Amino acid sequence: QKEVEQDPGPLSVPEGAIVSLNCTYSNSAFQYFMWYRQYSRKGPELLMYTYSSGNKEDGRFTAQVDKSSKYISLFIRDSQPSDSATYLCAMSFYGNNRLAFGKGNQVVVIP
Amino acid sequence: DTAVSQTPKYLVTQMGNDKSIKCEQNLGHDTMYWYKQDSKKFLKIMFSYNNKELIINETVPNRFSPKSPDKAHLNLHINSLELGDSAVYFCASRRTSGDTDTQYFGPGTRLTVL
Repeated sequence: QKEVEQDPGPLSVPEGAIVSLNCTYSNSAFQYFMWYRQYSRKGPELLMYTYSSGNKEDGRFTAQVDKSSKYISLFIRDSQPSDSATYLCAMSFYGNNRLAFGKGNQVVVIP
Repeated sequence: DTAVSQTPKYLVTQMGNDKSIKCEQNLGHDTMYWYKQDSKKFLKIMFSYNNKELIINETVPNRFSPKSPDKAHLNLHINSLELGDSAVYFCASRRTSGDTDTQYFGPGTRLTVL
């Protein structure tokens, strides 16, 4: 079983729809959870960060962590064509020097 | 005031050549990384340095040699380039503080080996 599972998609949605992305993981030690957005030919950009369980909201973006289910989610409300990108989940724990990444999920928002 | 910068952005070279990629961060972080991203977008860690000391050395051919002259710089030298080395290489810098553990990526170096 891979440490972090993320369905690579692609996911196509019409403009204005809610985009829902998720990752599952196997290591219960993970406590830092991130979502990165990567536009084509660009570097991954830190989009959302959550420590431990709970929700975090930033504008149209909401990140959720459910440690009991080992499941994290990213929601994008009122999606825009500019949200078209690959979204990668990543996670780590204290004392670990590396991030565990998902494979990335390509999202296309159609105008 | 770019946080993590890499040079060059594009690198096209012939098989067998030796090349270097440079990375600099102005965030004051102690830990830096090199990642390789293949055509399927999967990010694979290669090396990590903490304050000039090598702390992660993944199963990478020894043709790849990282060097950290100081904690703000991490360079990658590749000897005898092969076709399979073609990929995008990302440098990253890590911030750890209390309940924070995140990494910030550079723009990438797209390496094409002909």
